[in-house]
Amino acid sequence: DGGITQSPKYLFRKEGQNVTLSCEQNLNHDAMYWYRQDPGQGLRLIYYSQIVNDFQKGDIAEGYSVSREKKESFPLTVTSAQKNPTAFYLCASMGWNTEAFFGQGTRLTVV
Amino acid sequence: GENVEQHPSTLSVQEGDSAVIKCTYSDSASNYFPWYKQELGKGPQLIIDIRSNVGEKKDQRIAVTLNKTAKHFSLHITETQPEDSAVYFCAASISRYGQNFVFGPGTRLSVLP
Repeated sequence: DGGITQSPKYLFRKEGQNVTLSCEQNLNHDAMYWYRQDPGQGLRLIYYSQIVNDFQKGDIAEGYSVSREKKESFPLTVTSAQKNPTAFYLCASMGWNTEAFFGQGTRLTVV
Repeated sequence: GENVEQHPSTLSVQEGDSAVIKCTYSDSASNYFPWYKQELGKGPQLIIDIRSNVGEKKDQRIAVTLNKTAKHFSLHITETQPEDSAVYFCAASISRYGQNFVFGPGTRLSVLP
C-alpha cells in the first residue's frame, strides 16, 4: 500500500525536552513538507525539502529542525526553543505533477 | 505575501441542501487553488482544485468557481450528505508546489440529518 505514514499519533513532551516526529513515504515523491495546525487556523509551513540532503525554512521554522538523509524520510524535531509546541503536526509529500498527500498527523502536547 | 481569507468559519446545513464556502486571496500572481477536506483526527485530502485559466470545475456533487478579477473562489457542494461533515480548507499558490501554498483558516461544515 503506497502512502505517507506519521508516527506517533500522540506525543507528550515535558518542558525543556526535544522530541522527534517521524514521517515516512513510499510514494517515491521528491518533495516533503511539515505543517503545523492550530485550532481555528490554517496550516502553516514549518520546513520543506525538495530533494535529499536539502531543506528550506518555511514561515514558522524557529524552534524546529529537520533532516532529509533519505528520500523516504523527513523527521521533524521540536526543540526546547519552541515555546508553544502544543499543536497538530502534519507531514505531506508531493511528486512531479501530483497532488499533495498528507499523513494522518501527530498531536503533540506539552505536559 | 499572499493572504487567504475563508468564510464562513462554521456552516450547518440540512442533509440534501447545498453548501457554499468562499475564499478570497490577495496576490494576483496566484494561479493554483486547491480545496482540502479534513475529517476529525486525520490529514487533509484534496477534493478538487482549479487553475487560473479555468473559471469553473465540477466533479460530481462538488464544484469550484474562480473569479480572478475579484480574487475570490468558492466551493459548492450540492445534495449534501452526513459524510460531507468535515473541515474544509482552501489554499492559493503561485505554483502547484506545497512550499507556496497559503491556506485559509478552514470552515467546519456540519450536515444535519
